[in-house]
Amino acid sequence: EVQLVESGGGFVQPGGSLRLSCAASGFTFSSDSMSWVRQAPGKGLEWVSDIGGSSSVIYYADSVKGRFTISRDNAKKSLYLQMNNLREDDTAVYYCASGGGQQWGQGTLVTVSS
Amino acid sequence: DVVMTQSPLSQPVTPGQPASFSCRSSQSLVHSHGDTYLNWFQQRPGQSPRRLIYKVSNRDSGVPERFSGSASGTNFTLKISAVEAEDAGVYYCMQGTHWPYTFGQGTKLEIK
Repeated sequence: EVQLVESGGGFVQPGGSLRLSCAASGFTFSSDSMSWVRQAPGKGLEWVSDIGGSSSVIYYADSVKGRFTISRDNAKKSLYLQMNNLREDDTAVYYCASGGGQQWGQGTLVTVSS
Repeated sequence: DVVMTQSPLSQPVTPGQPASFSCRSSQSLVHSHGDTYLNWFQQRPGQSPRRLIYKVSNRDSGVPERFSGSASGTNFTLKISAVEAEDAGVYYCMQGTHWPYTFGQGTKLEIK
């Protein structure tokens, strides 16, 4: 059974940092592209970042470029999102997703507020 | 960025009746290698999104046959042949051809 489990969310003040993690199991992690998608409270979905299986291809939405860094450790079957210089409009549930959205985790809530 | 426009924003449907969701892209979603990366997602209240359809018309594993997807140019449609109570939620189209990948604003399916 495929499982994606996010962790690392929490409350942070504007300008702060957080590192999200996503632990994967049940599929060949190194073969799949992985993504972070977020959903602000009561809003729709926004694709934040994408990383290829070998980390050779990485994309960021303009809204997070220069502040967020996606990475992965295929040996640990884990995906990460380092979020720096957080803003209040980064407040959202952050989901990790595999293979173009085939599987999703349960999400982790990030709240940025003063 | 590719703009995905969904309509209607909300639709009430009686169980057993069909439902149709429309999505229009602002540009062609045909990738350079020929595939069209248009996906449909369902998000039930309080749950994570679930992919139903990938590459326009392919049902994901475990998705009931009552769900189907089709396309005509830059217009895409998700149909439910006979709505069930468990289908309540928000349906999103999403294009994965051009970065940044973009979602429509969602259509809320309400069960009467």
